[in-house]
Order: sequence, then C-alpha cells, then structure tokens
Amino acid sequence: EVQLVQSGGGLVQPGGSLKLSCAASGFIFSGSTMNWVRQAPGKGLEWVGRIRTQARNYATAYAESVRGRFTISRDDSENTAYLQMNSLQNEDTAMYYCAGPVAALNGMDVWGQGTTVIVSS
Amino acid sequence: DIVMTQSPLSLPVTLGEPASISCRSSQSLLHSNGFNYVDWYLHKSGQSPQLLIYLGSYRASGVPDRFSGSGSGTDFTLTISRVEAEDVGVYYCMQDLETPRAFGQGTKLEIK
Repeated sequence: EVQLVQSGGGLVQPGGSLKLSCAASGFIFSGSTMNWVRQAPGKGLEWVGRIRTQARNYATAYAESVRGRFTISRDDSENTAYLQMNSLQNEDTAMYYCAGPVAALNGMDVWGQGTTVIVSS
Repeated sequence: DIVMTQSPLSLPVTLGEPASISCRSSQSLLHSNGFNYVDWYLHKSGQSPQLLIYLGSYRASGVPDRFSGSGSGTDFTLTISRVEAEDVGVYYCMQDLETPRAFGQGTKLEIK
C-alpha cells in the first residue's frame, strides 16, 4: 500500500524547535519530490516547502513565511522526509502534512495523515 | 510570486446539479512544453487533502469522471457535472509552475 506516515507533532513554546517526520512505503521514495503543506486553524492550505530528489541535487525551496527558520531534509535509505522547525512562532500553529507525487505526472497525489503542531506558552 | 485567486469562496449546490469553481493566476501557468501547471485539490473535513486534477485537465487516479478541469494561461475552471453528497468540502487550486507554490483561498462547497 502506498502511504506516508507522519510523526513528531506536539506542543512547543514560542522560540522552540520541533522536528516532523514523514515515512514512506509502497513506492520508490527516492524518486519523488516531497512537499510540506500546512493549515492553520480556520485558514486555508499553505505550501511550506519541498525537497527534490538526488538527481536534482536535493534542491530545497521554502515559503517566505518559514524561510531561514524551517529546513527540509530527506534520508532515502530510510524512506523518510523531515521538517526541522526552529524559532517557532504562534503563527506556526497548524496541521502539517507531507505530500508528494507518486502515480500522477505532477501534483501531490499521496498525502500523510497530518500532524498537529501547537506553539503556545 | 504567483498569486492564485478563486471564486466563489462559498458555493451552495443542489444535489445532482452542476458546479464550477474559477481560479485565476497572477502570471501565466502555461509552460513552453504546452502544459498548464495548475492542480486542483479537495479537502474534506477531518481528512487529508486529495488531488483531483493535475496539469490543468488530467484527472488523478481514482477520481470520478464527473470532475473535470479546463482553462489555459491564467484562467482555470474546475467543473463537477453532477454534485454528489460526498463532494462536500473545500476546493483549492494550486500553481505548480514555480516556487514558492501557491494555493488559492479555497472554495467551500456545501449542499443546499
């Protein structure tokens, strides 16, 4: 079964750090760009960033709102993508999803179940 | 950065009737390869978003054929030929041409 299983969410104080994981199975993870998308309470979807494959030099890109604070990485030997979040702010409170293209030529057709991050003192 | 603008933001529809959502991008999403880099997603309450349409008009695997995508350049439309109860949720367009990717504000479809 093709799936992405997420872990690592929780409650963190402002200024703190958290690392999310996204474990893939059922498809060739190393061949897929991985994205992170979030949804703050009562808001719409926001693209956070992405990491490309080894063939494309693991290139990363980020939304302006998280650039310099968040880092996306991947370990193809573990079929896992990561989202390292530093200097967390209240506005980073959201449901975070990892997602990527598997069967579709483009777009994100496989999504993780989501993990909640709450930034609060 | 590319900005995506959807309309309407709320869409009450009668079961069995058609529905359409418009999405406009601030820059052309038509690539030199002939593809339009716009996707459509449905986010149902309590679930992860799901891909409906990619590259403007290609249905993702398992998506019913009552969903279709059209348009080119900066103007795109998602059409549901006959709305069913399971289609309730928030629909988003997203530009997939360049980073940072951008979603539209979302269109909430509900049954009248």
